[in-house]
Formats: sequence, structure tokens, C-alpha cells
Amino acid sequence: GAGVSQSPSNKVTEKGKDVELRCDPISGHTALYWYRQSLGQGLEFLIYFQGNSAPDKSGLPSDRFSAERTGGSVSTLTIQRTQQEDSAVYLCASSTPRDRDYGYTFGSGTRLTVV
Amino acid sequence: DQQVKQNSPSLSVQEGRISILNCDYTNSMFDYFLWYKKYPAEGPTFLISISSIKDKNEDGRFTVFLNKSAKHLSLHIVPSQPGDSAVYFCAASSRGATNKLIFGTGTLLAVQP
Repeated sequence: GAGVSQSPSNKVTEKGKDVELRCDPISGHTALYWYRQSLGQGLEFLIYFQGNSAPDKSGLPSDRFSAERTGGSVSTLTIQRTQQEDSAVYLCASSTPRDRDYGYTFGSGTRLTVV
Repeated sequence: DQQVKQNSPSLSVQEGRISILNCDYTNSMFDYFLWYKKYPAEGPTFLISISSIKDKNEDGRFTVFLNKSAKHLSLHIVPSQPGDSAVYFCAASSRGATNKLIFGTGTLLAVQP
């Protein structure tokens, strides 16, 4: 597609339930990033995938968070046993390795609300 | 530890005047800096970047200045337009395998007609 696509755009879930957030990066982009933005906060790095390399998971806040990227394309971020502090906008971005001059291309995000 | 700081949460400017958004960083390993613009309910969009080997980069109405000794950068928008009203994020990265960006908390710019 023309841009980074994320689904769903909005998700309301009950505390304790699991959620899956999906990201379709731009075709041909080998790098994929997940960030989140909590209310009043900046963008917090979560995880990074680059080609077939081991992902950089250094930003995942707890072991309830996991992500995978199948076939080097679509990525799924899973949050198990959701808590109210997980409420945030989850943003996915993709880039090519040479995109340093232009940064990432972000999707519109998934707004997650845990009630 | 906030490695990238935007100390002004908001800024209001008259249309046609200059907008100056500021950003400070603490990590001396950062060698690339970017500004992103974000409208409500949309993802951030890339605006302009600068490498640490430069002290200025200009693109139309947007200019980014980098002062490495002060670990400070700023974005100038001249002339400001109402359509520039958005949240502006400063971001930084250091060359390496991850190339991940560290973002500031953002500054909400309001350009008054």
C-alpha cells in the first residue's frame, strides 16, 4: 500500500483481556518500529525489527508485551492481561535502511483504552 | 531519564510571525536529529532533519539549527501559517544497528490568524 496501515484504529478492552494490534508496513521497507504515546507523553520506543535480524526488544515495558513480524512484512503487537496503564496510542512505523535523511513513515496508530 | 527534552509544552504565535521551537538533548552519542509534526488522530510526519556535521539545514519555511556544544537544537518556521498548528516532536538517533529514534514530549504550536 501507499502508507503504513494499522488496525484497528480504536480498541476498547476490559482490564485483564489480551489484545492484538496489527501493522502493515510500506512494501519494501525492511525496518519496522513500534512506539506508543501515553497521554501527555512523548513517543516511547517499544520494539524494532530489521530484516532477518533479531529484534531489538529493549523498549518493551514488561513481559506482557510481545511482537512478531511474519515474513518480513506484517507485524502484530500483543499485550496480555491488559492493565489501565497500557492505555495509549500505539504507533507503527517503517523505513528502509537508507532512510536516515527522511526518518520513518508512521501509521495513524491504534488508540487502546483499557477499562 | 529523558534524553531528549522539549521544555515548552505549548507555544502561541501570530500568523506571519516566526515560530521557534526548542529541543535539548543529553546524549553526546546522538548524531542525527529530526523534527516531526503531528495532527490529532494522525501519525507523526517527518518535517526536516540535520546531521551532527552541520549546524543548519533549511527547507522552505523551515530551518533547523544545531548547537552541539550546548546540546540544543531549534526549529524556526517563517512565516508561520495557521496550517502549521500541530504538535511538533524533536527526535534524535545515534548511528548503529537499531537506528531507533528517541523522541521528546512535544510542543503544541498554535498559529493565530
